[in-house]
Amino acid sequence: QKEVEQNSGPLSVPEGAIASLNCTYSDRVSQSFFWYRQYSGKSPELIMSIYSNGDKEDGRFTAQLNKASQYVSLLIRDSQPSDSATYLCAVNYRGGQNFVFGPGTRLSVLP
Amino acid sequence: SQTIHQWPATLVQPVGSPLSLECTVEGTSNPNLYWYRQAAGRGLQLLFYSVGIGQISSEVPQNLSASRPQDRQFILSSKKLLLSDSGFYLCAWSRGTMGEQYFGPGTRLTVT
Repeated sequence: QKEVEQNSGPLSVPEGAIASLNCTYSDRVSQSFFWYRQYSGKSPELIMSIYSNGDKEDGRFTAQLNKASQYVSLLIRDSQPSDSATYLCAVNYRGGQNFVFGPGTRLSVLP
Repeated sequence: SQTIHQWPATLVQPVGSPLSLECTVEGTSNPNLYWYRQAAGRGLQLLFYSVGIGQISSEVPQNLSASRPQDRQFILSSKKLLLSDSGFYLCAWSRGTMGEQYFGPGTRLTVT
């Protein structure tokens, strides 16, 4: 059974701080990794994808992947109240039907 | 650019009634298409997956079915709804099997 785990939160950070969101997965042959943001009542929105070990930066967001530790994280710099949402980690094991989502971490950025 | 549509946006149906949810994608051809369900406060559950017209893979045995009558159209159906079918139904598409999935706006279904 493929599993993707995340802390459910809520994770609260003050405005301007760095928010760190973590995700672990169970299958070593996983090939691609994604972070989605989901506002309450809305559909998930893709914010980052990462395919190889290391860091990938896009604006205020940095995704970090460590395949040896089966760990992927998302850093949000200069957090804003508009970043308050649930962040979903997704892992693609070997094709579309093996796209598994974690339960999500709820982030609250306090003004 | 690509756009994905779902309708209706919200739906309230009695137990035992039929269901039909539609999803269409614009701006791409031969997309992979997916149906997910998200129960209140829960994660995303993959229901169906399609790599082409008439090709449907089911992930979870249930009273739901899916069809893909055209390249960019994906339909989720049920003959008789159960209370447990309530949830947020999301359609998604991807280019190939390993890349990003993009979601439609979703349909919120309440079975009463």
